[in-house]
Amino acid sequence: DAGVIQSPRHEVTEMGQEVTLRCKPISGHDYLFWYRQTMMRGLELLIYFNNNVPIDDSGMPEDRFSAKMPNASFSTLKIQPSEPRDSAVYFCASSLIVGSAFFGQGTRLTVV
Amino acid sequence: QQQVKQSPQSLIVQKGGISIINCAYENTAFDYFPWYQQFPGKGPALLIAIRPDVSEKKEGRFTISFNKSAKQFSLHIMDSQPGDSATYFCAASTKETSGSRLTFGEGTQLTVNP
Repeated sequence: DAGVIQSPRHEVTEMGQEVTLRCKPISGHDYLFWYRQTMMRGLELLIYFNNNVPIDDSGMPEDRFSAKMPNASFSTLKIQPSEPRDSAVYFCASSLIVGSAFFGQGTRLTVV
Repeated sequence: QQQVKQSPQSLIVQKGGISIINCAYENTAFDYFPWYQQFPGKGPALLIAIRPDVSEKKEGRFTISFNKSAKQFSLHIMDSQPGDSATYFCAASTKETSGSRLTFGEGTQLTVNP
């Protein structure tokens, strides 16, 4: 398996634009997580899914953020409209059981 | 109560030395304690993990020590190598019927000097 695949690896966008981050989890994994990493706040869990169903989205910072998982092999995290303070590295991770989360390479988002 | 406190924030060790990173937690429902290693430009990768029914787990040069009564656990890296230079995160999770989630510590940036 190629692991968790995220795209794009880097994204630079202007403030106010819509940004869509994509993730393909490891096949067979039941859980999918979206994390955000910044120097100030470390690794923050934004939302996670179990069997494609959102379980906990309490970490989503604002209504500007939304996440979907239309099927077991694909998820998106959308920011609309984007703001400079959204600049961070966004990680997608998947797992089969508690704790053994496998992370993707991340998407480095820069909002100017 | 969901927090995991990690220290130190940064650590510099000489090659061949022992690196020690500590974590403390409050939530007694936590029952799985993994450590993740992250290199620049990469995602965190699972390094080693422990459950509270054992006090120590060793995998190669990496050892987790767990103190359930003190609600503390630590990562020891023996014979530290320059290639171990990375950011290390401790984490904790519970067996929740509603799902599976990790709470991460703040991270420790380890530098091993040659």
